[in-house]
Amino acid sequence: DGGITQSPKYLFRKEGQNVTLSCEQNLNHDAMYWYRQDPGQGLRLIYYSQIVNDFQKGDIAEGYSVSREKKESFPLTVTSAQKNPTAFYLCASSQGQLNTGELFFGEGSRLTVL
Amino acid sequence: KNEVEQSPQNLTAQEGEFITINCSYSVGISALHWLQQHPGGGIVSLFMLSSGKKKHGRLIATINIQEKHSSLHITASHPRDSAVYICAVSMSVFSNTGNQFYFGTGTSLTVIP
Repeated sequence: DGGITQSPKYLFRKEGQNVTLSCEQNLNHDAMYWYRQDPGQGLRLIYYSQIVNDFQKGDIAEGYSVSREKKESFPLTVTSAQKNPTAFYLCASSQGQLNTGELFFGEGSRLTVL
Repeated sequence: KNEVEQSPQNLTAQEGEFITINCSYSVGISALHWLQQHPGGGIVSLFMLSSGKKKHGRLIATINIQEKHSSLHITASHPRDSAVYICAVSMSVFSNTGNQFYFGTGTSLTVIP
């Protein structure tokens, strides 16, 4: 079945370490997104990509980095520069032009900094 | 101020009750989405609509573009409907960071047998 796969589901990190969250989709979607979810807040956009080898910062990109070397893959690295990285991270994709398609989400990755 | 406001924040219902969740937005939109977030965290798209009304099984979504308001209704609610329901909008004009979607904070629904 087509969908979005995120891994790992749970991740623990020591302060000062970089971690990379994986996001793979087999929906043949052009647009991919990374969101951060914190309690009591709506999803906030970290980065997005419309096409391979191109990506743009979202509203809260500081301390994060991404790559889009393949259409199916959009990994997110949480760097040591991110001041408050403990959160739930969701990857999403949509077809066609930005904001005109239905959103598909992965199961999420919960990052805890010890 | 949030561009998307949902009410109520929390909702507890008895099995079989008719449920309504409301969403108001303040920006120009091209579409509105209703999403369901399971206890494990994964999110599923329930509806995407830009006018009128859509129905899937026991779920009904309506939108009033002039009033900038949408409602999600669940008929004959069941404990398996317990989840967080999130309203999101696709904006017709992107923010200065290129953000196209704004999300509400969600409505946590618990249906008691």
